[in-house]
Amino acid sequence: GDSVTQMEGPVTLSEEACLTINCTYTATGYPSLFWYVQYPGEGLQLLLKATKADDKGSNKGFEATYRKETTSFHLEKGSVQVSDSAVYFCALSRFGNEKLTFGTGTRLTIIP
Amino acid sequence: DTEVTQTPKHLVMGMTNKKSLKCEQHMGHRAMYWYKQKAKKPPELMFVYSYEKLSINESVPSRFSPECPNSSLLNLHLHALQPEDSALYLCASSPGGLRGSRSGANVLTFGAGSRLTVL
Repeated sequence: GDSVTQMEGPVTLSEEACLTINCTYTATGYPSLFWYVQYPGEGLQLLLKATKADDKGSNKGFEATYRKETTSFHLEKGSVQVSDSAVYFCALSRFGNEKLTFGTGTRLTIIP
Repeated sequence: DTEVTQTPKHLVMGMTNKKSLKCEQHMGHRAMYWYKQKAKKPPELMFVYSYEKLSINESVPSRFSPECPNSSLLNLHLHALQPEDSALYLCASSPGGLRGSRSGANVLTFGAGSRLTVL
């Protein structure tokens, strides 16, 4: 079945540091890939998405590239801010399928 | 309107109570979802409604009863819950059907959640 594997957290970084959160997936066919973010006490928000190989999703300074050859969708940001502190979920869905498969989530804390 | 609205934000109930969680969206989405999220865990899918019909039930206990009165509303009726059912309950919606498929990605929009505590 489909699965998503994220790097274990928590991750603690200083403000302005570079961020990479690794995500790899297992799925048949050509899934769509997503990063969702959950700020404390809130629901999930879509951060970015990519629907086909080599697509790059980007939003709020975050980027992730759909790499079919390595089945990966790593989240990157060049300079993190305190306001980026949240839990980040990598997820996938398959074409025509309503189910969203989540990774376990990575808690990110940015210290000033 | 690009929001999914959930009420109440917080609910405390006893094991013999009957209560309901409500969810509303006005984005014209045709698929609506209930997820359960325990602390420090990813959301777990419970139910999916597609075009107001229940399309997925992830073997959820019958003490949780979903209802979709129309394409904008989704309820989750709660009865005889257990303390281990305490969690954040998230509603989501997506375009669904052909509209979602044509875009190539079925993007879910989540509500802020209802935090349920069962005593």
